[in-house]
Amino acid sequence: AQSVTQPDARVTVSEGASLQLRCKYSYSGTPYLFWYVQYQRQGLQLLLKYYSGDPVVQGVNGFEAEFSKSDSSFHLRKASVHWSDSAVYFCAASPYTGNYKYVFGAGTRLKVIA
Amino acid sequence: ETAVFQTPNYHVTQVGNEVSFNCKQTLGHDTMYWYKQDSKKLLKIMFSYNNKQLIVNETVPRRFSPQSSDKAHLNLRIKSVEPEDSAVYLCASSSYWGQNTLYFGAGTRLSVL
Repeated sequence: AQSVTQPDARVTVSEGASLQLRCKYSYSGTPYLFWYVQYQRQGLQLLLKYYSGDPVVQGVNGFEAEFSKSDSSFHLRKASVHWSDSAVYFCAASPYTGNYKYVFGAGTRLKVIA
Repeated sequence: ETAVFQTPNYHVTQVGNEVSFNCKQTLGHDTMYWYKQDSKKLLKIMFSYNNKQLIVNETVPRRFSPQSSDKAHLNLRIKSVEPEDSAVYLCASSSYWGQNTLYFGAGTRLSVL
């Protein structure tokens, strides 16, 4: 069965520190991989996505993610977090076409402290 | 810039009442979705419409019914709400050939008393 696992439900980091949010996927075929962010009282917004090519993909607001086929992972990173990065982050996978088979992880709640 | 619009933002109602939520997208997409997000932030797809055709109906209770008048609009009706229906309902859209990015509205928060 297709699945996306985010092993960390909550992560707390200090402002200015580096960040890694983990994501592991189990998916037949070659999926699109995504990271979305949800700020409080808002819908989800795309941070970045990956399908092929360079395994390190750049996103908005200084985020990047690295794909590893051998490890079935798609971890999100940021070199220096800001308090405004506090939000819930979702990793997701979908087939090349046909969005109705989107699979979301359970989300990681990030809290950035001063 | 918001391109998926949901109304209302909040709705409080009592058990047994009927409620309706509206969603409109101005992105020209051909596929729209309803997701339910529970209090733990878990996302569950409820319905998907592609060009007004229902293409997925996950095992949601029969009191839920989606309605689409055209590819830009997707509504959700709950015939007789139950306490477990309290959640945030997120509408999303995508282009079938658009590398699968989902665009979400801000959600409708339903509270059932």
